[in-house]
Amino acid sequence: EDQVTQSPEALRLQEGESSSLNCSYTVSGLRGLFWYRQDPGKGPEFLFTLYSAGEEKEKERLKATLTKKESFLHITAPKPEDSATYLCAVQARGPRNTPLVFGKGTRLSVIA
Amino acid sequence: NAGVTQTPKFQVLKTGQSMTLQCAQDMNHEYMSWYRQDPGMGLRLIHYSVGAGITDQGEVPNGYNVSRSTTEDFPLRLLSAAPSQTSVYFCASSGLLGSNYGYTFGSGTRLTVV
Repeated sequence: EDQVTQSPEALRLQEGESSSLNCSYTVSGLRGLFWYRQDPGKGPEFLFTLYSAGEEKEKERLKATLTKKESFLHITAPKPEDSATYLCAVQARGPRNTPLVFGKGTRLSVIA
Repeated sequence: NAGVTQTPKFQVLKTGQSMTLQCAQDMNHEYMSWYRQDPGMGLRLIHYSVGAGITDQGEVPNGYNVSRSTTEDFPLRLLSAAPSQTSVYFCASSGLLGSNYGYTFGSGTRLTVV
């Protein structure tokens, strides 16, 4: 059974204090690992897709990395507007679009 | 605007009532799905569809029905609402062979069953 575990559940940072969020996964053949951002009262919004170990993607203050067992979302010099819940999801390989399996998310608060 | 549209945004039901949550997408996506999101539980898959006339169950299908008569629409029906179905419901869509963006999500329906 495909599983995704995110840690920590919640993280509180001072503005400018860099840190990392973890996503550990088990999947029967990885098609892709996805990071989403979710603001309160809204649907998840796509950030990154990673496909193979060693791959990295960057967007502004965020950088996502991938190994064979986990992914990290590094946040460099965060700002209060980075406060949100960050979701990780995996998709297994298959002949069709197999459902994404989500972790429970990490709730990030950045304090000015 | 292109995307996934969910209606209503908020709904309060009494136990035993039935209702349909609507989901429509205008991106010609073959794949559509319904998730529920509960505190501490994350997003859990209810039902999904890989095309018109084809549906399948997810992790938590009990108490919900779906049908897919068109590519654009994927309604979720609650047959007899229970307090345990109080949740936020998200509809999501994607191309059939997957997408580099994973899924496109709607803005959600917040359902309370009293």
